[in-house]
Amino acid sequence: AQSVTQLDSQVPVFEEAPVELRCNYSSSVSVYLFWYVQYPNQGLQLLLKYLSGSTLVESINGFEAEFNKSQTSFHLRKPSVHISDTAEYFCAVSEIVGGGKLIFGQGTELSVKP
Amino acid sequence: DAGVIQSPRHEVTEMGQEVTLRCKPISGHNSLFWYRQTMMRGLELLIYFNNNVPIDDSGMPEDRFSAKMPNASFSTLKIQPSEPRDSAVYFCASSRPASGSSPGELFFGEGSRLTVL
Repeated sequence: AQSVTQLDSQVPVFEEAPVELRCNYSSSVSVYLFWYVQYPNQGLQLLLKYLSGSTLVESINGFEAEFNKSQTSFHLRKPSVHISDTAEYFCAVSEIVGGGKLIFGQGTELSVKP
Repeated sequence: DAGVIQSPRHEVTEMGQEVTLRCKPISGHNSLFWYRQTMMRGLELLIYFNNNVPIDDSGMPEDRFSAKMPNASFSTLKIQPSEPRDSAVYFCASSRPASGSSPGELFFGEGSRLTVL
């Protein structure tokens, strides 16, 4: 069975500051890794994913995440955040052979202040 | 294209009543997932279907919960009888057939917020 641990439940940060949202996973088999974002009163949207190849993956709005197999981590980073990045961020894992179901972490609430 | 459509968006009911939540997945998607979100437990996978067949229902809390997918364009999640601890946001998500080694991205609906008094 897989599990996902997001190490910070809340991350307050000032606008234009860098941010890192931490994610560790546990699995006995190979996995795919995802970050989803949830804005207030909305469903989740895919932010970025790691399937294979380069361990550094990027989103269109400046976020990036690096897959580290030895540390079983998939931390999300952004060098300079905007007010509009305020949302809840979820790390998720899916077994490569598993029917596509995602197991989510508890979520990290990113609050960007002016 | 329309996204995943869930109804109702909000429901308030009394303990003991039957609740039915509905989901219309994106056309062409062959996998459908029901998740429950609460402050205490986060996002929990309740059940998922591939090609209308339930694959894994190990997340369904108890016999009061049931889910069906009679065809590729419709699914229901039913709670009977409902209890206050069932209060949560219930999300439906769908995904395309996985191609090769690439899993389909999950597309989520906006959720159904259930309050059981």
